Amino acid sequence: DSGVTQTPKHLITATGQRVTLRCSPRSGDLSVYWYQQSLDQGLQFLIQYYNGEERAKGNILERFSAQQFPDLHSELNLSSLELGDSALYFCASSVAASAGNTIYFGEGSWLTVV
Amino acid sequence: AQSVAQPEDQVNVAEGNPLTVKCTYSVSGNPYLFWYVQYPNRGLQFLLKYITGDNLVKGSYGFEAEFNKSQTSFHLKKPSALVSDSALYFCAVRDVGDKIIFGKGTRLHILP
Repeated sequence: DSGVTQTPKHLITATGQRVTLRCSPRSGDLSVYWYQQSLDQGLQFLIQYYNGEERAKGNILERFSAQQFPDLHSELNLSSLELGDSALYFCASSVAASAGNTIYFGEGSWLTVV
Repeated sequence: AQSVAQPEDQVNVAEGNPLTVKCTYSVSGNPYLFWYVQYPNRGLQFLLKYITGDNLVKGSYGFEAEFNKSQTSFHLKKPSALVSDSALYFCAVRDVGDKIIFGKGTRLHILP
């Protein structure tokens, strides 16, 4: 158990809908990362927050947004969902935002868009 | 931007034999390199990392990795493979802005 908690574990929703994925980082970790894993795209970095502020942005669609709250938990919002958004979404966390820090992953949220 | 490449989609090794999963990197500046393992329907688990110092890094579950600056490689190794080592392995590098960039992954099959 990495200590990173993600909910829900599984989610099935229809095209055009909006969902929110939630992540609680490990105790004491200030940095949160979101990744998308799909069969054809591999593991893609979406976005990173550090202590409530956006720190880095990757291949995140405009239909997606995220935020980190004062209690350090984070949410990833996915809207106007398309079939191609079906994937495993991972949250990860690390103590700080420095290069040597290890990031630890949650178990992921399986999103199926039908 | 930093990047890593895993040249093999799949590696098959007989149980008890040594295993190697290959990774090469491209970075500007000092590389910060990582290996993660993913078991079916699970999240990624950290195995080991190279930040600085000794080129041979030891990690979890008996794995180790050798950092080779001249060959820009960071291959994952284990002296004696177990069937339970069968999984998807990712090499990764810390990119500008602190995010970690992952390779495409190598599926390791250990044959009994």
